[in-house]
Amino acid sequence: GNSVTQMEGPVTLSEEAFLTINCTYTATGYPSLFWYVQYPGEGLQLLLKATKADDKGSNKGFEATYRKETTSFHLEKGSVQVSDSAVYFCALSEGAGNNRKLIWGLGTSLAVNP
Amino acid sequence: NAGVTQTPKFQVLKTGQSMTLQCAQDMNHEYMSWYRQDPGMGLRLIHYSVGAGITDQGEVPNGYNVSRSTTEDFPLRLLSAAPSQTSVYFCASKRGGGNNSPLHFGNGTRLTVT
Repeated sequence: GNSVTQMEGPVTLSEEAFLTINCTYTATGYPSLFWYVQYPGEGLQLLLKATKADDKGSNKGFEATYRKETTSFHLEKGSVQVSDSAVYFCALSEGAGNNRKLIWGLGTSLAVNP
Repeated sequence: NAGVTQTPKFQVLKTGQSMTLQCAQDMNHEYMSWYRQDPGMGLRLIHYSVGAGITDQGEVPNGYNVSRSTTEDFPLRLLSAAPSQTSVYFCASKRGGGNNSPLHFGNGTRLTVT
């Protein structure tokens, strides 16, 4: 079946460092891909998405490109801030119509130190 | 703008007790769902609903019941709590069941079963 694999955390960086969180997927067809972020004590919220190959999703300085040839959707940010400390989840959508569901990665915890 | 509201935030139950986790959304979303989040397991879908009067099982439905009598509310019932149901529970909603619109999450209910 479809699956999402994220790099294990925790990831610890200093402020202004470059961030990459790897995400690879296994899927039949052409799923949409998502990154969600969970700040401490809160629910998840959508960070960015891409719906077809070579699309780049971006938001709040984060970017991810849908790479079908490598089945990847790696999350990047050029200069992280302490406020980016959170857990990041990669996900893909599978199915069609009302049976469309999200398949989640296990999450990657990011801690940014001042 | 309340979004998705979950109550209670914290709950402790004894084995065998029953309770209902409440979820309400004010965005007129057709789709609502319940997830549980456990360390090392990521997010797992318990039940979901694509509209009032319609519910369906996710990947871990055993031990939980749901109903959807209104568009706004989607309560999750534990009929006889077990220690294995200790978890953080998230309710999430989105516009429509078959599209890629983002999921909106509540802030979670942390449940401990002793």
